[in-house]
Amino acid sequence: DTAVSQTPKYLVTQMGNDKSIKCEQNLGHDTMYWYKQDSKKFLKIMFSYNNKELIINETVPNRFSPKSPDKAHLNLHINSLELGDSAVYFCASSRRREGGTGELFFGEGSRLTVL
Amino acid sequence: AQRVTQPEKLLSVFKGAPVELKCNYSYSGSPELFWYVQYSRQRLQLLLRHISRESIKGFTADLNKGETSFHLKKPFAQEEDSAMYYCALSGLGSEKLVFGKGTKLTVNP
Repeated sequence: DTAVSQTPKYLVTQMGNDKSIKCEQNLGHDTMYWYKQDSKKFLKIMFSYNNKELIINETVPNRFSPKSPDKAHLNLHINSLELGDSAVYFCASSRRREGGTGELFFGEGSRLTVL
Repeated sequence: AQRVTQPEKLLSVFKGAPVELKCNYSYSGSPELFWYVQYSRQRLQLLLRHISRESIKGFTADLNKGETSFHLKKPFAQEEDSAMYYCALSGLGSEKLVFGKGTKLTVNP
């Protein structure tokens, strides 16, 4: 059983388009994340939700809008795509615990290419 | 602010040689440090965390608060250790896990 799954794995699109990436976890975790990995393999946190509530919102253009319909799902919608949005987007989840972040479980990543 | 520095982008060693991947951090509160690994064509996964003080796949890492470091070490590298390694920091009570830029380790035969 896949713990954290993302779709699609690959996405190629034109500048200016709107696209979505979906993420689902079946681990029963409370917290979900979106990370962006750029061409230099640098991993940067974008958003985090806990039980459908936004708890981390890093400096991300407002063209990026996360949505969490329930605690097992966290989707990422991107409007007006730009060349610089090309990256691998990773979804992750963790069990919330006192004292901070527990182990993060990652999806396989969604490689977005903007032409 | 939380910051993690991995000074080496690339590290290449021969099989059987010792390996040390460096990690330094900056955080004013109580840190929790992790090492994550990404093998080729696999998802990112936790290797070890400082609070568990375990040795995983022969790797160890000791948190040195004086030097604000959490270097990852293995006495005898194996070819299957070749991967991308990320050091990560979370503050006590924080939901945010911040990653370093990663070090690509290549173990040559």
